[in-house]
Amino acid sequence: KQEVTQIPAALSVPEGENLVLNCSFTDSAIYNLQWFRQDPGKGLTSLLLIQSSQREQTSGRLNASLDKSSGRSTLYIAASQPGDSATYLCAVYNNNDMRFGAGTRLTVKP
Amino acid sequence: NAGVTQTPKFRVLKTGQSMTLLCAQDMNHEYMYWYRQDPGMGLRLIHYSVGEGTTAKGEVPDGYNVSRLKKQNFLLGLESAAPSQTSVYFCASCDPMRGTSNQPQHFGDGTRLSIL
Repeated sequence: KQEVTQIPAALSVPEGENLVLNCSFTDSAIYNLQWFRQDPGKGLTSLLLIQSSQREQTSGRLNASLDKSSGRSTLYIAASQPGDSATYLCAVYNNNDMRFGAGTRLTVKP
Repeated sequence: NAGVTQTPKFRVLKTGQSMTLLCAQDMNHEYMYWYRQDPGMGLRLIHYSVGEGTTAKGEVPDGYNVSRLKKQNFLLGLESAAPSQTSVYFCASCDPMRGTSNQPQHFGDGTRLSIL
């Protein structure tokens, strides 16, 4: 059974810092891995999707990496801003089954 | 372009009552999903559908039924609501492959359901 873990559960940083969020998964047989952002009371917004054959994806200040062999992914956020405050979830997808981590709640202080 | 729309947004039920949650998508996606999200946990898949007229069980299907009579709609039913079903329910849709690329899931804003 696939299990997805995100560490830390919560993170608070001052504005402008670069930061890394971690995601680990137990079964390396995945089609893709996604990072999502969730704002309070809202649904999930897909930030980055890394296919199983890829090592990383970039979008603006976000960079996500994937190491299937070690069962790890990281989301790097450069020059953090207060607007980045949200919960970030990672999810691995295989055979119509998407498993989510519990998320990291990020607070960026002005 | 509305994307994925869930109705209702909030609902309070008494134990034993029944209700149906509606998910509608206007992106012509083949695949649709129902998840629940509980505090301190990630989303868990309840049921999913890979096309009109098809449904399949996910990780936590007990106590729920679904139907996909039209491609754009995916209904989640609770026949006899229980307090353990108090949760936030999310619907999502996607076309899993377009060309050679995996496609992301698009989510609705959720339905907050309380069972007393």
